[in-house]
Amino acid sequence: QKEVEQDPGPLSVPEGAIVSLNCTYSNSAFQYFMWYRQYSRKGPELLMYTYSSGNKEDGRFTAQVDKSSKYISLFIRDSQPSDSATYLCAMGSRLIFGQGTELSVKP
Amino acid sequence: NAGVTQTPKFQVLKTGQSMTLQCAQDMNHEYMSWYRQDPGMGLRLIHYSVGAGITDQGEVPNGYNVSRSTTEDFPLRLLSAAPSQTSVYFCASSQQSQNTIYFGEGSWLTVV
Repeated sequence: QKEVEQDPGPLSVPEGAIVSLNCTYSNSAFQYFMWYRQYSRKGPELLMYTYSSGNKEDGRFTAQVDKSSKYISLFIRDSQPSDSATYLCAMGSRLIFGQGTELSVKP
Repeated sequence: NAGVTQTPKFQVLKTGQSMTLQCAQDMNHEYMSWYRQDPGMGLRLIHYSVGAGITDQGEVPNGYNVSRSTTEDFPLRLLSAAPSQTSVYFCASSQQSQNTIYFGEGSWLTVV
């Protein structure tokens, strides 16, 4: 079993939809949780960073961490075509990545 | 503001050849790392360094060497390229391992 599991997708939604992206993990020692966005043929860029449990909101993006369930989520409200990208969860001090979910937002 | 710079962007190698992927950062970051990205596998850590003169293995180190003689540079060497090393390689850096990590643009490597 991989340390970090991410719903593989791909995911296709209409513009304006709420998107939910999720990861589960097995290492209870993880304290740092991140979401990266990666556009085609580009390097990943940090989207959200959370330490320990709780919620964090940044504009249309909300990151949630539930350490008791070893489950993290990224919500995108009012999704836009420009949100079309691959989203990768990452966690731990050495950054263990999930497999990535490819999101497509259709106009 | 260059950030993390990787060269070359694209490379084709023959099996058995050796080569070096270059990585440089201008942010005075202590922590640097190399990842490879394969379809359906996410990014996997190859090697990392917490400072000049210090390197350590990640999840998939076999077939790769690194060195860190300066804070700025962290080259990745393929000793004897194999088709299984066909991948996209990303270099990354951060002030500390837990802080925001900045990625380079990637190096696309094909081994034939």
